[in-house]
Amino acid sequence: EAGVTQSPRYAVLQEGQAVSFWCDPISGHDTLYWYQQPRDQGPQLLVYFRDEAVIDNSQLPSDRFSAVRPKGTNSTLKIQSAKQGDTATYLCASSPGLGGFFGPGTRLTVL
Amino acid sequence: QQKVQQSPESLSVPEGGMASLNCTSSDRNFQYFWWYRQHSGEGPKALMSIFSDGDKKEGRFTAHLNKASLHVSLHIRDSQPSDSALYFCAASELPSNTNKVVFGTGTRLQVLP
Repeated sequence: EAGVTQSPRYAVLQEGQAVSFWCDPISGHDTLYWYQQPRDQGPQLLVYFRDEAVIDNSQLPSDRFSAVRPKGTNSTLKIQSAKQGDTATYLCASSPGLGGFFGPGTRLTVL
Repeated sequence: QQKVQQSPESLSVPEGGMASLNCTSSDRNFQYFWWYRQHSGEGPKALMSIFSDGDKKEGRFTAHLNKASLHVSLHIRDSQPSDSALYFCAASELPSNTNKVVFGTGTRLQVLP
């Protein structure tokens, strides 16, 4: 069974630049999560979807971050104007119910 | 406020020894627990889940849950160098329309050959 795939694996930006992260969940998983994981810390939930609907985006910095899952399958997380504090690994996870299967993450460095 | 707290922050055990990790939820709505392990450069991988009071054993890993205190522990017997990793406890809300999962702060385990 294919796992969760993410791209790109790495991104390096200057402050103010935009970046998009893409996630392909495990087929049939209706729930998709985006987490931010600063170095040596636990994953922190940004947003999650059930199918195409946003269930909780209360931790998503809405002025610069956006996330969509238009057909209830793949998802894109976008940062409009990156800041140094956004430096972290961005993890996508999918789940058929409780729990989750994680992708390898995208490691973002903002200079 | 962090809903899921883990201790210790880091732990070293000799190869073949027992490693014990602890986790507590501060929110009674979050009482379904998982343990995840994350090796460097990879995403977290689920080790096991525990939803009921008592022990759950899977190979060298045993989880113990006390729902009254919302405390869960993970014990790794016969620790191997390959067990060296970051370990996260994750807690989920009661089954509902939401499947919100929050992660703890992590414990870094080092198994010394």
